[in-house]
Amino acid sequence: DVQLVESGGGLVQPGGSLRLSCAASGFTFSSYDMHWVRQVPGKGLEWVSNIGTAGDTYYPDSVKGRFTISRENAKNSLYLQMNSLRAGDTAVYYCVRAVVLYGMDVWGQGTTVIVSS
Amino acid sequence: DIQMTQSPSSLSASVGDRVTITCRASQSIGSFLNWYQQKPAKAPKLLIYTSSNLQSGVPSRFSGSGSGTDFTLTITSLQPEDFATYYCQQSYSTQVTFGGGTKVEI
Repeated sequence: DVQLVESGGGLVQPGGSLRLSCAASGFTFSSYDMHWVRQVPGKGLEWVSNIGTAGDTYYPDSVKGRFTISRENAKNSLYLQMNSLRAGDTAVYYCVRAVVLYGMDVWGQGTTVIVSS
Repeated sequence: DIQMTQSPSSLSASVGDRVTITCRASQSIGSFLNWYQQKPAKAPKLLIYTSSNLQSGVPSRFSGSGSGTDFTLTITSLQPEDFATYYCQQSYSTQVTFGGGTKVEI
């Protein structure tokens, strides 16, 4: 089965750091663009970052300079390094597989990040 | 960034109703528009990709249309399991953006 499993969420103080991981299985991980998408409980979806098959990365202004997406194809793993965390980063973070022409077709179950003192 | 505006933000409907949700992009995005369904405490699920293509396993009562800046998701004959929140998303730009969501309620 095609599957994405996130881990690494938790409670962190403002200004702190956290690293999320996503383990992929059931497909050729290196052949797909991968994204992180977050959602504040009760609110809408917000795209957080994207890494292409060639390692090109993209971020919205809200996280640029603070978050870093990376991938390790040999381990079928996606990562999100989050630094200088703010209360506004509190959300469920989803790992997502995507193809430009075919949408975001596989989502993980999400991992919760809470930024609070 | 490309802004995606969905309307309405919520709607009330009954089983068997025909439901239409619209999504407008702040600039032309061709057909690079996808639709997702999300139920409470669940991850979103892809319904429609590239404006009008039905994702495998999605019932045929769901359909999508549009190009350029204006897009529509239609659910013919709403079923109990369709009560959820629906999001549009553009993949024209590397700066991906989602619409604000439409909650379909009884």
